[in-house]
Parts: sequence; C-alpha cells; structure tokens
Amino acid sequence: TQLLEQSPQFLSIQEGENLTVYCNSSSVFSSLQWYRQEPGEGPVLLVTVVTGGEVKKLKRLTFQFGDARKDSSLHITAAQPGDTGLYLCAGALGFQGGKLIFGQGTELSVKP
Amino acid sequence: KAGVTQTPRYLIKTRGQQVTLSCSPISGHRSVSWYQQTPGQGLQFLFEYFSETQRNKGNFPGRFSGRQFSNSRSEMNVSTLELGDSALYLCASSSVPGLAGYNEQFFGPGTRLTVL
Repeated sequence: TQLLEQSPQFLSIQEGENLTVYCNSSSVFSSLQWYRQEPGEGPVLLVTVVTGGEVKKLKRLTFQFGDARKDSSLHITAAQPGDTGLYLCAGALGFQGGKLIFGQGTELSVKP
Repeated sequence: KAGVTQTPRYLIKTRGQQVTLSCSPISGHRSVSWYQQTPGQGLQFLFEYFSETQRNKGNFPGRFSGRQFSNSRSEMNVSTLELGDSALYLCASSSVPGLAGYNEQFFGPGTRLTVL
C-alpha cells in the first residue's frame, strides 16, 4: 500500500508549458518535502512545507501544502528543458525521526 | 559546507557475498538515514541512526544492518546478497531529526550496487 500517491508518474511537455504534480495521502504529515533527482545522483531538496495551507515559491516553482496537511502540489510555470528530472514528494509522519515516506515520483521531460 | 558523501559510488558483487557502504553526513548533522531506491519500489526507508543509536527501522530483512560512529559517520551492511538487492542506496543527513515535525534531509549521491 502506497502511503503517498504521486501523480502523474510521467509527464512529457513542450518548453513554455505549465504543469502541476500532485501528492495525496489519507495520512496527516507533520512536514512534506519536494526533491528533484537527476539520473545517477541523489535527490536534491527543493522545499519543505510545514504549515497547512502554506504556499512557497522558488522562481518558477510554486509549492502548496493542503489545509489538512494530507496533500501537496508542485506547479511549474513556463517549464524549461533544465526542469527535466524526477520530482519526488516525501512526508514525515509525526515524530518519527529521520524517516521519510516517499511518493513514487514524477518523471518530467521538457522538450525544447 | 561539504555535502553528504558516500563511498563507494559503484559496487559489483555476486550472490551470497556481503557488502559495506559508507556515509559521511554534513558537518554538524547527527542523524543519518538510509534508503533503498529501485525502479519498481521507488525510495524505501531502511533505518535511521541518531547519536550512535538506531532510532527507526523500515521493513527490511535482518540481512540489512547499520551502525553509526561517534563522529556521526554511518555504515550499512548487507549480508548474503540476493539479486533483488541491486539498487541505488542513498544516505541522508539531518540536523534536527523530527524536532517539532520538521525533518529536512539532505541526500548523498548514492552507491549503485549491482548483484550478479
């Protein structure tokens, strides 16, 4: 059973298009992180959201944490080829120390 | 500040052998977590060490073990390797593990293990 459902799994778009990636769960997370991973490398942290309803922006990327802290979204405006990669959401459940639950990931390909 | 380092980056072993992977966390970070990443299962939590003690453990068999040293460096060991153990093994470090629900982890580049 996947605790954190991420969708879509694959996304292929043209440069300049907008896109949204979703992470959904029936569980409440104390915090949620978004990572980007390139082939053969470890995930790189993009953002952490902690408060329900929180919105954070990182240049063309907008991250939102659901009011109930069960879901999150990543929106990319005017995607560029450099945005290509695997996007992962990861949630922390309560006080479970250094344990993150990961979604299955979204493979994004942005074509010039 | 140097990031998380992992050695070796690549490893090829045969079934039945055992392997030890090493992870050096970001300076000042005391929590180290290990994850296994495969195409089919994605990233799965193995275990976490904090102050030389295992604090959390995932659902992996006892063949997977780890330890942490006083300088926060960590090792994980896999005994009696199976073909299904082929994966990217990632370690992540954190400075405030689980403090008030805030659990920001920084990952190393991983060790690619291939079991033949």
